[in-house]
Amino acid sequence: ETGVTQSPTHLIKTRGQQVTLRCSSQSGHNTVSWYQQALGQGPQFIFQYYREEENGRGNFPPRFSGLQFPNYSSELNVNALELDDSALYLCASSLERQGGSPLHFGNGTRLTVT
Amino acid sequence: GENVEQHPSTLSVQEGDSAVIKCTYSDSASNYFPWYKQELGKGPQLIIDIRSNVGEKKDQRIAVTLNKTAKHFSLHITETQPEDSAVYFCAASSSFGAGTTVTVRA
Repeated sequence: ETGVTQSPTHLIKTRGQQVTLRCSSQSGHNTVSWYQQALGQGPQFIFQYYREEENGRGNFPPRFSGLQFPNYSSELNVNALELDDSALYLCASSLERQGGSPLHFGNGTRLTVT
Repeated sequence: GENVEQHPSTLSVQEGDSAVIKCTYSDSASNYFPWYKQELGKGPQLIIDIRSNVGEKKDQRIAVTLNKTAKHFSLHITETQPEDSAVYFCAASSSFGAGTTVTVRA
């Protein structure tokens, strides 16, 4: 069983740039959720994708967008980067939508915005 | 949306003692309550979960209790060991608590 993998592991961007983060879900999982984890804080829900459609969104602006592909892998795109976007971005796959089953997390992408 | 509060933020215990972490949630419709352990440089990993039709669940040294009327749930770790040192998160639906840093002193 292949776990959740995220790429890249680390990334440094400049304010105003755009970034794309990638995630491969665990085999058999059709739901992917993205979280932002600032240093010393809990993960904050960005959005969830189920069968290629957005299925719930947290309190994040539209410059945070995503995609899910037919193989259930996913991308998180962030436009017009701000300094406060610096965080660990976590991807998690699951069997069910909307927080009804365990989340299987990858090890995250550490994004630094300068 | 759901709001999850977690206490304490830090917890230091002597090896062999018990550790208790408490969480409250706001949305009475929430029915799934997992606990995750996060070690340095890694993503959170599920350690135990409980659904709203159950009041208590135990897995070896770890137990979780749920009081749905009061909207709070707790994690209990008995006979703590150095490898239990980590950050622990409770969650309700898609919302996570702020985390508890547990340090087990040898």
